[in-house]
Amino acid sequence: AQSVTQPDIHITVSEGASLELRCNYSYGATPYLFWYVQSPGQGLQLLLKYFSGDTLVQGIKGFEAEFKRSQSSFNLRKPSVHWSDAAEYFCAVGGAGGFKTIFGAGTRLFVKA
Amino acid sequence: EPEVTQTPSHQVTQMGQEVILRCVPISNHLYFYWYRQILGQKVEFLVSFYNNEISEKSEIFDDQFSVERPDGSNFTLKIRSTKLEDSAMYFCASSEQARNQPQHFGDGTRLSIL
Repeated sequence: AQSVTQPDIHITVSEGASLELRCNYSYGATPYLFWYVQSPGQGLQLLLKYFSGDTLVQGIKGFEAEFKRSQSSFNLRKPSVHWSDAAEYFCAVGGAGGFKTIFGAGTRLFVKA
Repeated sequence: EPEVTQTPSHQVTQMGQEVILRCVPISNHLYFYWYRQILGQKVEFLVSFYNNEISEKSEIFDDQFSVERPDGSNFTLKIRSTKLEDSAMYFCASSEQARNQPQHFGDGTRLSIL
């Protein structure tokens, strides 16, 4: 079955500290992988995507993610978190060429001063 | 950059009433989708639409739901007889046909059933 697991419901980091949000997926075919960010009451903003090629992908707002096929993971990282990064982050799989997007449950990021 | 637009941003409806959520996908996109996010929960797939017919639907998308592309620009989701549990944020998305192109999401319509 196709699924996405985000093991951390919420994470708190200090401003300026590094961040890693975990994501594991189960998908029968070659996965297309995404990270979205959602601020409270807002829509979904695409941070980055992986389709093929270099397994380390760069996104907007200084985020990056690394695709590891052997671990079925696509973890999101940022070297230095800003207070404005506080939001809900969703990992997703599929969602290209007519295929539905399957979302993880999300990880809520809190940033403390 | 082209955007997917959804109207209204917030819809309040009495239980049992019909509601239509509207979306204008990006103009050259061929696939259209609806997703739902109940407050505090994850985003769930409802339905995908291609070439004027449903290409896939989830178990959530039962007989009270329908989708339509009434003209060349709009894509609508109709809920015939709303229930309290239909209260959620509804997202429309669209994508090109090419497999290496992601879906683009609208900002959503918050549906509140009273």
